[in-house]
Amino acid sequence: DQQVKQNSPSLSVQEGRISILNCDYTNSMFDYFLWYKKYPAEGPTFLISISSIKDKNEDGRFTVFLNKSAKHLSLHIVPSQPGDSAVYFCAASARKNSGGSNYKLTFGKGTLLTVNP
Amino acid sequence: DAGVTQSPTHLIKTRGQQVTLRCSPKSGHDTVSWYQQALGQGPQFIFQYYEEEERQRGNFPDRFSGHQFPNYSSELNVNALLLGDSALYLCASSSRRLAGDGTDTQYFGPGTRLTVL
Repeated sequence: DQQVKQNSPSLSVQEGRISILNCDYTNSMFDYFLWYKKYPAEGPTFLISISSIKDKNEDGRFTVFLNKSAKHLSLHIVPSQPGDSAVYFCAASARKNSGGSNYKLTFGKGTLLTVNP
Repeated sequence: DAGVTQSPTHLIKTRGQQVTLRCSPKSGHDTVSWYQQALGQGPQFIFQYYEEEERQRGNFPDRFSGHQFPNYSSELNVNALLLGDSALYLCASSSRRLAGDGTDTQYFGPGTRLTVL
């Protein structure tokens, strides 16, 4: 039962263009969403998060959009750089059902982003 | 400021053996969560420790157990190892005391690669 789905195993874009990574979820109790980036032989690195009370959050080149009615979120990277090449994981949690904090994260399978020079 | 550290980096065991993995949280963090990442999959939540007690648990058998020490560091123990336990084991730390406004984001260590032969 995959509650968080990243349907694109891989994505290839040209340097300077926009990268759009997508994520769908099925659990309506999820109210907090995060994106992590992972390089080989390293642990996941936190990128950006969004609460369900918002529909957009921006941090530098990274923007996350949340469409609650569609249970869909996306991560936009503009402009894409070769150093962005990594596996990107979408994660979700049900904060309200976890005592308000330090919730368990449910991850998708990840999308391998390759940014070509 | 040291981030999350894990030891050992790699480990090879045989079926039926027992293994102990170790994690030191990021400075100022009091909560440790453990995740298992199988090849080609996203991380899966094993359990979470706070104030030296297991607070949440994922769908893992009792062969998986843990401990948290007064200095907030943690151990993951796996008994009666199976071939299917081969995976990357990730530790994540966060702060329950500072939870709220995004400060309860989980930060991951580099992981321990366990191979069971």
